[in-house]
Amino acid sequence: AQTVTQSQPEMSVQEAETVTLSCTYDTSESDYYLFWYKQPPSRQMILVIRQEAYKQQNATENRFSVNFQKAAKSFSLKISDSQLGDAAMYFCALVMIYNQGGKLIFGQGTELSVKP
Amino acid sequence: EAGVVQSPRYKIIEKKQPVAFWCNPISGHNTLYWYLQNLGQGPELLIRYENEEAVDDSQLPKDRFSAERLKGVDSTLKIQPAELGDSAVYLCASSSGWSTQGGELFFGEGSRLTVL
Repeated sequence: AQTVTQSQPEMSVQEAETVTLSCTYDTSESDYYLFWYKQPPSRQMILVIRQEAYKQQNATENRFSVNFQKAAKSFSLKISDSQLGDAAMYFCALVMIYNQGGKLIFGQGTELSVKP
Repeated sequence: EAGVVQSPRYKIIEKKQPVAFWCNPISGHNTLYWYLQNLGQGPELLIRYENEEAVDDSQLPKDRFSAERLKGVDSTLKIQPAELGDSAVYLCASSSGWSTQGGELFFGEGSRLTVL
């Protein structure tokens, strides 16, 4: 069975600073995607960034980047130049490519607050 | 393009009453998911549809929960009778050829159920 663990229930960052959210996962398969989803108070999940397991290069989307360590099964999210709008719950998620038809396995979430 | 639409956004009922949630996925998305999100936790899959077929309902409590997806488009999730522990947010998501689309699921805003 696959698992995703986020060990930081809450994180706080000063506006314009950088913050890193941690995620570890466990799977015996080699082909999968990893995601970070953002869930603002309105509750709609929004995809922040995606990483294909077969790619060694870390994904980057504007101010968001990941540190993907496949051997360590670690997938952290770095938010640079934090903005007030970044405040939300962040979920790390894992999905197998060839099995389970897109079933996302989510972590427990990290609530990020941004201080002005 | 319209996103995933869910209704109602909020529902308050007495225990033992029935309740139903409706989901309209993104047009053309043949895969539809219902997720359960308890307060402060990550979503957990209840059921997954490929077109009108439920291909993964192993997490659906079938004694009180039921779901249908007529004509492979809209879906309804029903609880009868509701229990206090069913208070949660019910999320609907859809995807199209998720493995070729990079695994992204598109979520609705969710239906928050409160059982008194």
